[in-house]
Amino acid sequence: DVKVTQSSRYLVKRTGEKVFLECVQDMDHENMFWYRQDPGLGLRLIYFSYDVKMKEKGDIPEGYSVSREKKERFSLILESASTNQTSMYLCASSLPRGNEQYFGPGTRLTVT
Amino acid sequence: KNQVEQSPQSLIILEGKNCTLQCNYTVSPFSNLRWYKQDTGRGPVSLTIMTFSENTKSNGRYTATLDADTKQSSLHITASQLSDSASYICVVSPTPFTGTASKLTFGTGTRLQVTL
Repeated sequence: DVKVTQSSRYLVKRTGEKVFLECVQDMDHENMFWYRQDPGLGLRLIYFSYDVKMKEKGDIPEGYSVSREKKERFSLILESASTNQTSMYLCASSLPRGNEQYFGPGTRLTVT
Repeated sequence: KNQVEQSPQSLIILEGKNCTLQCNYTVSPFSNLRWYKQDTGRGPVSLTIMTFSENTKSNGRYTATLDADTKQSSLHITASQLSDSASYICVVSPTPFTGTASKLTFGTGTRLQVTL
């Protein structure tokens, strides 16, 4: 079974703090993705990576950065958290020539 | 602009009853449509996938249909169970693969609650 894990299920941070969200997949997938999910808006792509050290911006990259130093690990970084970044963050992975994305359980981030 | 619209937004049904969820899309080009189930506090899990040449696909009590001409899909749940309570998300892909050329378009989901 594909397993995608995220470092925290729930996280509470203060405005201005630097926040790291980590995602690890155990299926040797090349592609990894970070989404945020907000009520009424669906999932929106923040960044994705198709190889180690490679990254591409998604639809809403502002205020975020990512790091992929190892194939199995994809980190999302909020350099200076703001209240409008309160959201559910979902990580996913897939094969490069596969179609299905496998999602992690999500991290619910609250910025106060 | 590519869009996926789902209806209803939310639905409450009694256990054992059937229900149908709708998905209309304007994504072009179109490669495939996938339905995901997302339990509360969990990530989405794929239920079915259909390409433009398929018009029905079943996964146990879940049956998805696709009309590529009218750009509509539905997810029918038969003999609902309490464990079916979840959000159901329709996702359309313009390409067969999830690589750099692919931009998935997600619907906002239908929240289904099955009650006793």
